[in-house]
Amino acid sequence: DAGVIQSPRHEVTEMGQEVTLRCKPISGHNSLFWYRQTMMRGLELLIYFNNNVPIDDSGMPEDRFSAKMPNASFSTLKIQPSEPRDSAVYFCASSFLWTEAFFGQGTRLTVV
Amino acid sequence: KNEVEQSPQNLTAQEGEFITINCSYSVGISALHWLQQHPGGGIVSLFMLSSGKKKHGRLIATINIQEKHSSLHITASHPRDSAVYICAVTVGGADGLTFGKGTHLIIQP
Repeated sequence: DAGVIQSPRHEVTEMGQEVTLRCKPISGHNSLFWYRQTMMRGLELLIYFNNNVPIDDSGMPEDRFSAKMPNASFSTLKIQPSEPRDSAVYFCASSFLWTEAFFGQGTRLTVV
Repeated sequence: KNEVEQSPQNLTAQEGEFITINCSYSVGISALHWLQQHPGGGIVSLFMLSSGKKKHGRLIATINIQEKHSSLHITASHPRDSAVYICAVTVGGADGLTFGKGTHLIIQP
């Protein structure tokens, strides 16, 4: 398996624009997680899904953030409208039941 | 909410030294994870443990559930071990991770 695949790897956008980050989990994994990493706050959980159903979105910072998982092989994290403080590295991870999580390479988002 | 504390924040050592990184947490957990993040940014899972001790090559992870404490040891450290090591915990079985701030390790030749 190619592992968890995220796209794009880098994204530069202007404030106010919509940004969509994409994630393809490892085939067979039933849990998917979105994390954000910043210098100030480190790694934080934004939202996670079990069997495509959102379980806990309490980490989503604002209504500008939304995440979907329409099927077992694809998830998106959308920011609309984007702001400079959203600049961070966004990681997607997946796991099977209660085993270790596998991380994607991350998307480095810069909002100018 | 679980608080995860790591120490030290930064560690510089000479090649060959024995390295210990510590992690403590405030609330009972279902599992503790040790992760490695290289300068390129990718995150790799090193260990997932809920009791006792695990070993993989030169890496050893231990956990004391009663004391809510875990350690990651690196024997015969090498410059390629230079990375950020992150401790993370889960409370429920399939919950997301709560992370420590990480330990930035530099091994000098």
